[in-house]
Amino acid sequence: EVQLVESGGGLVQPGGSLRLSCAASGFTFSSYYMQWVRQAPGKGLVWVSRISSDGSSTTYADSVKGRFTISRDNANNTLYLQMNSLRADDTAVYYCVRDLSGDFYFDSWGQGTLITVSS
Amino acid sequence: SYDLTQPPSVSVSPGQTARITCSGDALSKQYGYWFQQKPGQAPVLVICKDRERPSGIPERFSGSSSGTTVMLTISEVQAEDEADYYCQSADSSGSRGVFGGGTKLTVL
Repeated sequence: EVQLVESGGGLVQPGGSLRLSCAASGFTFSSYYMQWVRQAPGKGLVWVSRISSDGSSTTYADSVKGRFTISRDNANNTLYLQMNSLRADDTAVYYCVRDLSGDFYFDSWGQGTLITVSS
Repeated sequence: SYDLTQPPSVSVSPGQTARITCSGDALSKQYGYWFQQKPGQAPVLVICKDRERPSGIPERFSGSSSGTTVMLTISEVQAEDEADYYCQSADSSGSRGVFGGGTKLTVL
């Protein structure tokens, strides 16, 4: 069974940093592209970032480009999202998502972790 | 704003058919996907690649595609189908993910 478990969420001040982790199990992590998707309270889903299976290729939404960095540790089956220069509008639940084909085919989602950016 | 356009809400009575549309230029080149999200839960994939149904999804869920529009059809709607539904795809270049703003399905 595919399992994705996010951690690292919490309250952070504007301008601060936070690193999210996503522990993957139940599948060969190193074979799949992975993604982050976020959802602000009461709002819709928004794509954040994607990383290739070997970590060599990354893409970002314009809203986070230059501030967020996606990475992965295939030896430890873990996906990361380093978030810097956080703003109030980054407040959201962040989901770790498996991409089944590498073409934005989001087949499995974690339960999400909440980031609140506030002073 | 969202790259894909969905109606904000759809209401149907139990046993009727619900249809939710999603439109966007990228859909003429990229597959459409549909997710169901209930309050406090993560999204669940209910339709992939325009019209395929993942394992475990009831047959009353179906998808179709035409030009720049994809549609989710839920036949014989049940109370448990009440949820938010999101369409999703990739941008035309296939380099970024895009979502619709979501449709709240109300079962009257």
